[in-house]
Order: sequence, then C-alpha cells, then structure tokens
Amino acid sequence: AQSVSQHNHHVILSEAASLELGCNYSYGGTVNLFWYVQYPGQHLQLLLKYFSGDPLVKGIKGFEAEFIKSKFSFNLRKPSVQWSDTAEYFCAVNARRDDKIIFGKGTRLHILP
Amino acid sequence: NAGVMQNPRHLVRRRGQEARLRCSPMKGHSHVYWYRQLPEEGLKFMVYLQKENIIDESGMPKERFSAEFPKEGPSILRIQQVVRGDSAAYFCASSPQGPGANVLTFGAGSRLTVL
Repeated sequence: AQSVSQHNHHVILSEAASLELGCNYSYGGTVNLFWYVQYPGQHLQLLLKYFSGDPLVKGIKGFEAEFIKSKFSFNLRKPSVQWSDTAEYFCAVNARRDDKIIFGKGTRLHILP
Repeated sequence: NAGVMQNPRHLVRRRGQEARLRCSPMKGHSHVYWYRQLPEEGLKFMVYLQKENIIDESGMPKERFSAEFPKEGPSILRIQQVVRGDSAAYFCASSPQGPGANVLTFGAGSRLTVL
C-alpha cells in the first residue's frame, strides 16, 4: 500500500531563511506527486505537482520541489521564506494505476517576522 | 464558478445520533473524495466516488460509515450512531475526469463535534 512520510511536524523559521520540507513515499511503481498548502482559515490548495518530465517543478509563490526517484523523495524548497508562508503543508502521492490520493500528516510552518 | 461546497460547516451531534455531511463538487467535476482530519494526523483518505459508483472505500471504517454520490445531487457522507471518536474535520475534494484528473479542489470542510 502507498504511504507518505513527512519528516517534520513543526518547523519554525525566521523571515528570509531557506526552507526545505522533507517528503518520502513508499510505492514501487509510477506515481504522481503533490504538495498542498492550507493557509490559516483557508481551504487546502495545490502548491505544485509532478506528473512526468523535469523532476524539478516550480509552483506558486516561489516554491519548488524536486522528485528524486532513487530516494522516493519529493522535498519542498523555498530559498527565502516570508511571514505569509505560515501555513500547514501536505505532501501527497497517487499511483498512476490508482486514483486514490494519499496525504502525509502535514508540516506546520511558522515564520517569525 | 463556485468551488467545492460543503455543508454544514459545523455539526454537533450527541452520541448515538446520525451525522450527514454533504458535498457538491465543482461544476464539471465528476470525481469526489472524502478525507478525515484529526489533530496531528493529517488527512486520512476515506472514500473515492464517481457518480453512482464507489471506486475505492478502503479508508472507510467497516461499520457505521457510508458514502454515496447519486446521479443528481451532492455526495453524502453518512455516519450512523456517532461516537466521540468521530469528532473531526471532514474534507471533501473533487477532480475532473481526463487530463488533470488527479488535481484536487478542496471544500472548506465540515467540523463534526460529538458530545
């Protein structure tokens, strides 16, 4: 069965710090990968996705993620965070042959002004 | 174009009562997913449906929980004889068919409190 592991449950950074949130998945076949974000008081929304092609994908608000197949990883990065990036971030995966989308437990990111 | 609409936003039930949560997908979306969110546990997949069809219910508890997505009307997640452990936020998401089928649009969630 598929599973998603997010290494950090809570992360606190100062503005302008660099960010990397870890995500690993377990599934041997071809996958689609996602990062979703939930800002305080708002709906979950898509940050970025990887279906195929260039393993370095760019999303909204300066975020990017790199798919490393050999490591089963899809880490989220941002070179310089802002206070407005305070939110909860969810990594998600689905096997191409299966439409079920599995989410990790989420990482709460708090940016200090 | 309205997004995914969930209601009620907040529902309070006493133990043993029934809870019905409704989800209207985005216009043109034919796939609906239900997730449950508990503190520190993230989003747990419950069920995936298309119109009149349950595709995957592997995340649904075996008893008391059921879901449907009729030809007309919203998808409904039904919890019978609720217990305190059912208290959670329940999120619905929808996706289109075909290309982009796996990108989810989420609703605002329904928060169930069982007294």
